[in-house]
Amino acid sequence: DAGVIQSPRHEVTEMGQEVTLRCKPISGHNSLFWYRQTMMRGLELLIYFNNNVPIDDSGMPEDRFSAKMPNASFSTLKIQPSEPRDSAVYFCASSWTRTGHNEKLFFGSGTQLSVL
Amino acid sequence: GQQVMQIPQYQHVQEGEDFTTYCNSSTTLSNIQWYKQRPGGHPVFLIQLVKSGEVKKQKRLTFQFGEAKKNSSLHITATQTTDVGTYFCAVSGSARQLTFGSGTQLTVLP
Repeated sequence: DAGVIQSPRHEVTEMGQEVTLRCKPISGHNSLFWYRQTMMRGLELLIYFNNNVPIDDSGMPEDRFSAKMPNASFSTLKIQPSEPRDSAVYFCASSWTRTGHNEKLFFGSGTQLSVL
Repeated sequence: GQQVMQIPQYQHVQEGEDFTTYCNSSTTLSNIQWYKQRPGGHPVFLIQLVKSGEVKKQKRLTFQFGEAKKNSSLHITATQTTDVGTYFCAVSGSARQLTFGSGTQLTVLP
């Protein structure tokens, strides 16, 4: 298996521009997570999907952030408009989650986002 | 979401010395996971602990889950330069989402 695939690996954009991050989870996994990592705030959970349905989006910073999972093999995280404080590494992770059980997360390589 | 405190934030050791990182929660945990992130890399799953008082070993790494299931530790015996990275604990919330601790960044001096 190719693992969790994220694109792009690096994104440099100007303040005010729209940014779209993409993720392809591991085939067969039913849960998908978007995390943001910064030095100041560590690894923050932004949103969690189970069976393509958003279960917990309480970590999404504000209305500028949105995430979709149109099918089991694809998810996007969009920032519009982007701001310098959004600069971070964004990780996508997937897992197989059974009722009452947490399984291990498999992380993608991340997208390094720089907003100038 | 579930909150967990991880200490220390940083640890520098000489190669061959031992290392321990701790995670503490104010509430009882259903389980706890540990991850390692190499510099410039992504978190990689190490282990999951579920039972009260559980101890698991992976070569030089020993993982413990407290009797009250409110704390956990990761101990590395005789560190090597390959152990460099940040070690995170992660705990699950009511909806099975995973919340990560702040991590302990380990530096091993040759």
